[in-house]
Amino acid sequence: GAGVSQSPSNKVTEKGKDVELRCDPISGHTALYWYRQRLGQGLEFLIYFQGNSAPDKSGLPSDRFSAERTGESVSTLTIQRTQQEDSAVYLCASSPRGLSPLHFGNGTRLTVT
Amino acid sequence: QKEVEQNSGPLSVPEGAIASLNCTYSDRVSQSFFWYRQYSGKSPELIMSIYSNGDKEDGRFTAQLNKASQYVSLLIRDSQPSDSATYLCAVTRGNYGGATNKLIFGTGTLLAVQP
Repeated sequence: GAGVSQSPSNKVTEKGKDVELRCDPISGHTALYWYRQRLGQGLEFLIYFQGNSAPDKSGLPSDRFSAERTGESVSTLTIQRTQQEDSAVYLCASSPRGLSPLHFGNGTRLTVT
Repeated sequence: QKEVEQNSGPLSVPEGAIASLNCTYSDRVSQSFFWYRQYSGKSPELIMSIYSNGDKEDGRFTAQLNKASQYVSLLIRDSQPSDSATYLCAVTRGNYGGATNKLIFGTGTLLAVQP
């Protein structure tokens, strides 16, 4: 079956531009997470969606970052006015419920020049 | 203090030896603990989960949890070169089958198994 799909796989953008990253979770998965992984670093929690509950946005690093999720389907992570320090791999993961094993997508590698 | 701390390594062990990976966490109400493996350039994959104090074994892997010491470890017996990867510890307040909560990862320990 289809896994978690992220697009684009790579994105190069100029400093100051806005970018939108997309995540298609596995069908039926109610939980969806976004993480950021800088080169050689661990996974930095950004945001967590669980069903129709209010998302946990406590990991978003600044107000330039926002994320939306439509029901239990697609999620988009938007970064406004990108900065060079935003360069990282952005990973999306989903699970059938909050603590089931997370299924990760292949990530979007964002490079801000 | 970081929420989840791991020694970044690299931890180098010879083939066939036991690799011991350690993790400490700061949130005393954490209830669920996970070990993920991440190969270079790939996404993480779950290898072990543990929810109660003590040991949990799965093949060559054993997870150990001590909530009083806020410590969780992963032992890999008969280490193989294919085990060479970064091992990520993850912790959450959520409990399996009940309330859910965000999953926080440590920075990972790089394991290198020498043939």
